[in-house]
Order: sequence, then C-alpha cells, then structure tokens
Amino acid sequence: QKEVEQDPGPLSVPEGAIVSLNCTYSNSAFQYFMWYRQYSRKGPELLMYTYSSGNKEDGRFTAQVDKSSKYISLFIRDSQPSDSATYLCAMSAGGNKLVFGAGTILRVKS
Amino acid sequence: EAQVTQNPRYLITVTGKKLTVTCSQNMNHEYMSWYRQDPGLGLRQIYYSMNVEVTDKGDVPEGYKVSRKEKRNFPLILESPSPNQTSLYFCASSLRRDSGTYEQYFGPGTRLTVT
Repeated sequence: QKEVEQDPGPLSVPEGAIVSLNCTYSNSAFQYFMWYRQYSRKGPELLMYTYSSGNKEDGRFTAQVDKSSKYISLFIRDSQPSDSATYLCAMSAGGNKLVFGAGTILRVKS
Repeated sequence: EAQVTQNPRYLITVTGKKLTVTCSQNMNHEYMSWYRQDPGLGLRQIYYSMNVEVTDKGDVPEGYKVSRKEKRNFPLILESPSPNQTSLYFCASSLRRDSGTYEQYFGPGTRLTVT
C-alpha cells in the first residue's frame, strides 16, 4: 500500500464548477501538507501549504486537512480553463523529505 | 528572476553511455533534491543534499550519483544508464520555513529516454 493515495482522474468539469481534489495517507507522523500544480511540460509549483489540521483559504483555493481521518482536500471555486493541470498532494513529517501522491489530472472545459 | 534551471531539457541516449544532467539554482538555498516522475507513481526522490559536500540517498538511488561541490549546482550523474531509467527528472531547491518544513521549488524537468 502506498503511503499517499490519490485518484489519478482525469476529472473533467465545466467552467465555473467547484472542484474537489483529495488524498488519503497512512503515516500518522505527517504534519505538513502541500498541494502542487503542474502544467504540461512544466515543473510542479507550490499552490497551498498547511500545517496540521484545519482549513486554509487563498483566493479561489481552499485546502482542508483532517488528520483524524488521514484525509486532505483541495477545493477550487469558480474553476477556469487555466486551472487545467495535474494537481499533486505532498506530505512531510518534517525535514526535507516529501512524499507525493501520483497526481490528479484536472480538465476544465469552457 | 529566482529559478531552478536544468540542462538538457530532452535527452535520448543508449544503454551504458554515461550522462550528466545539470541543475543550478540562484536562490542561495542550502537544500537541493532530485526526483523522477513516472506515470502512476508520482514524484520519487532520488538523492538530496543538505549543503555543500553533504548528500544522501532518497527512495530510489540505485543507478544514480550526485555531487554538491558548490551551493548553487547539484548535477545528477548516470554512470551506465539503462532503459528502466527512462523518466522525467526534476531538480528542486528548498527553502526551510520557520515551521520546520521545506518549501520546494522545481526546475522545468529533463525528459530522458534510454534505448
């Protein structure tokens, strides 16, 4: 079993929809949770970062962490075609070691 | 502009022919890493470096070498490439946050094909 599980998709939604992306994990030592966005032929870029449980909002993006369920989510409101990308969750127990999910492909249709 | 650069971006080579992928960052970060990305497996860490002359193995180090002689450069060396090393490679440099975790900045990637 992988330490971090993420549905690969693809997830296809119409423009303006609310998108929900999720990851589950098995390592209870994870305390730092990140979402990266990766456009085609580009490197991943950090989108959201959360420490421990709770919510964090940044514009149209909201990250949620539920440590009791070992479940994290990224919500995108009013999705745009420019949001079409692969979204990677990543987690860390501290230090420089990140464990990544396999990534979810998102397609937003105009 | 703050960035991580990698060269080459694309490389096709044959089994056994030694190659080096260069990585350079201009953000004065101490920490640097190499990852490979394969379909369905996500990003897996190959090697990382905590500082000049300090390197350590990640999750999939077999068949790779690295060196860190200068803070800004972290080349990845494949002494005898094999077809199972065909992959998309990313270099990253890291900024340590006060909270204790590291924020990684990725290069644009190097697509390597070994025939």
